Amino acid sequence: GAGVSQSPRYKVAKRGQDVALRCDPISGHVSLFWYQQALGQGPEFLTYFQNEAQLDKSGLPSDRFFAERPEGSVSTLKIQRTQQEDSAVYLCASSLDRERKLFFGSGTQLSVL
Amino acid sequence: DAKTTQPPSMDCAEGRAANLPCNHSTISGNEYVYWYRQIHSQGPQYIIHGLKNNETNEMASLIITEDRKSSTLILPHATLRDTAVYYCIVRVVSNAGNMLTFGGGTRLMVKP
Repeated sequence: GAGVSQSPRYKVAKRGQDVALRCDPISGHVSLFWYQQALGQGPEFLTYFQNEAQLDKSGLPSDRFFAERPEGSVSTLKIQRTQQEDSAVYLCASSLDRERKLFFGSGTQLSVL
Repeated sequence: DAKTTQPPSMDCAEGRAANLPCNHSTISGNEYVYWYRQIHSQGPQYIIHGLKNNETNEMASLIITEDRKSSTLILPHATLRDTAVYYCIVRVVSNAGNMLTFGGGTRLMVKP
């Protein structure tokens, strides 16, 4: 399909392990967002890219979280030395430009044991 | 962005209209009202948005009060597939990007 694709769908990590979550936005979408959603809560903003430029990373909870989008298309969210509190669904969204509606992927559910 | 207040949950009978309220009493003149919904195990899905005029599309209608301090999302004929969490969001479209700030939303349960 032509929607936002995220992989893996589920990820189980041991505490202290590094993880990488991938997002394939809709082709041609300039803006890309990462959100974190804890169980029973609304999504919370993590970071925003416009093409390859990371314009806002104010929502990243610690320096263990790092996101990149080197060619302005696919993005990767990396979490180093995972902790139990990192367990959540990580959502990626893209839009044609900053003024348009967001299209979300189905998310990656991360469980840190 | 202005804060919104929504009831945590609502029920609706299948085939009836679902009216979901949202209060945004501190909304500014340049802030839009957006509605998204999230069906279980999926990402949020855009429904509709508006500035001050009422809006309608194939999914829903959005009614914004004249003072813009509240709005109502209307699903005219709710089906079981409309069971979801509905988020009302107000935001400014700015150079900072179109980051959405989600609240707790309203959990709508459509019952047969």
